[in-house]
Amino acid sequence: GAGVSQSPRYKVAKRGQDVALRCDPISGHVSLFWYQQALGQGPEFLTYFQNEAQLDKSGLPSDRFFAERPEGSVSTLKIQRTQQEDSAVYLCASSLDDRGLQPQHFGDGTRLSIL
Amino acid sequence: LAKTTQPISMDSYEGQEVNITCSHNNIATNDYITWYQQFPSQGPRFIIQGYKTKVTNEVASLFIPADRKSSTLSLPRVSLSDTAVYYCLVGNSTGGGNKLTFGTGTQLKVEL
Repeated sequence: GAGVSQSPRYKVAKRGQDVALRCDPISGHVSLFWYQQALGQGPEFLTYFQNEAQLDKSGLPSDRFFAERPEGSVSTLKIQRTQQEDSAVYLCASSLDDRGLQPQHFGDGTRLSIL
Repeated sequence: LAKTTQPISMDSYEGQEVNITCSHNNIATNDYITWYQQFPSQGPRFIIQGYKTKVTNEVASLFIPADRKSSTLSLPRVSLSDTAVYYCLVGNSTGGGNKLTFGTGTQLKVEL
């Protein structure tokens, strides 16, 4: 498909476990974003990549959250020692340019539930 | 970042025109206004973007008055499938990416 793909769509983990969420952006898109969306709220920014460089991680809630995009395409968001408050939908978005002139294309997210 | 205010919810009927107004009193000179639509269990989808006056595409129109302190998203002849949350965002296009700041959005419910 031509859109942003995220996997898994659903993830259930026990508190304290580590999880890894994957994002396949649209081919050729320079910019990649991660957002966290709590129930009934709008998405909140977590981090931004320009190709393989992580230029903004100001939205990551704690040092348990880590994101990477080693080859400038696929990205992984890792959460270590998960807590119940980490339960949310994690959205990935990509954009063709790095100047904010092109719209962001979102995947359908990974719904993370921490028991 | 400019703060936006929009109604929490709106109800309409099929075939009607729906106008959702967003207030952004602190919009900056180089800020754009962008609207996204989100269905349950899906990511937001870009609808339309504008800077001033009127912008129209195949799904919506965006009206922006001269002072740019508000904007109105107009959906012509809505159908049941337009039931979704609509987000108004304001931000500039700076180098190094353009992270989006979402509010709580407007839940539009379209009925028969």
